[in-house]
Amino acid sequence: NAGVTQTPKFRVLKTGQSMTLLCAQDMNHEYMYWYRQDPGMGLRLIHYSVGEGTTAKGEVPDGYNVSRLKKQNFLLGLESAAPSQTSVYFCASRTGQGNIAYEQYFGPGTRLTVT
Amino acid sequence: AQKVTQVQTEISVVEKEDVTLDCVYETRDTTYYLFWYKQPPSGELVFLIRRNSFDEQNEISGRYSWNFQKSTSSFNFTITASQVVDSAVYFCALSEGRPGDYKLSFGAGTTVTVRA
Repeated sequence: NAGVTQTPKFRVLKTGQSMTLLCAQDMNHEYMYWYRQDPGMGLRLIHYSVGEGTTAKGEVPDGYNVSRLKKQNFLLGLESAAPSQTSVYFCASRTGQGNIAYEQYFGPGTRLTVT
Repeated sequence: AQKVTQVQTEISVVEKEDVTLDCVYETRDTTYYLFWYKQPPSGELVFLIRRNSFDEQNEISGRYSWNFQKSTSSFNFTITASQVVDSAVYFCALSEGRPGDYKLSFGAGTTVTVRA
């Protein structure tokens, strides 16, 4: 099992450009999440999904959109990149069995620089 | 308001010393979960432990141990006899809310440097 994979690993964008980050998991997890990690701030939740076809806003959703058309994939889109979106982006997934907050499994991260 | 506060920003120790990372959380829920994750220099996030609010037993896993105290809203992490491979950023996280809608709130992290 590959676990959680993210594509691409690195990307440099110019202000105003758009891009999509792809997250894929092979653990049949119901829940998927997108976070951003900035120095000294831990990880902050951007958007999440509780199942195929659903999405919800997290703590810092502005400037991002997401889609979950297939259970195993969760896409994060930046329509018009800004320098403030320079960050490391992590995708995570977890099982939804029972009413328990099981641990999340993280992808390797995508380092995005917006110039 | 910050839900999870990691008291130390950075800790530097010499190999074989013990190191304790303090985590203080804030929630109004009676059911919640606490986690610790490790982020080594390679960048990935590695799950270490999950604890629910009804289980205050301390836990030991090899050189790692955790002390959960609801009375002080703390979930502290100790590495005994530290090794260079323990050098990493450690995150404490809280999951609260409605069942099925649990989201993680992370602390800012504690950077641990273990010198040989």
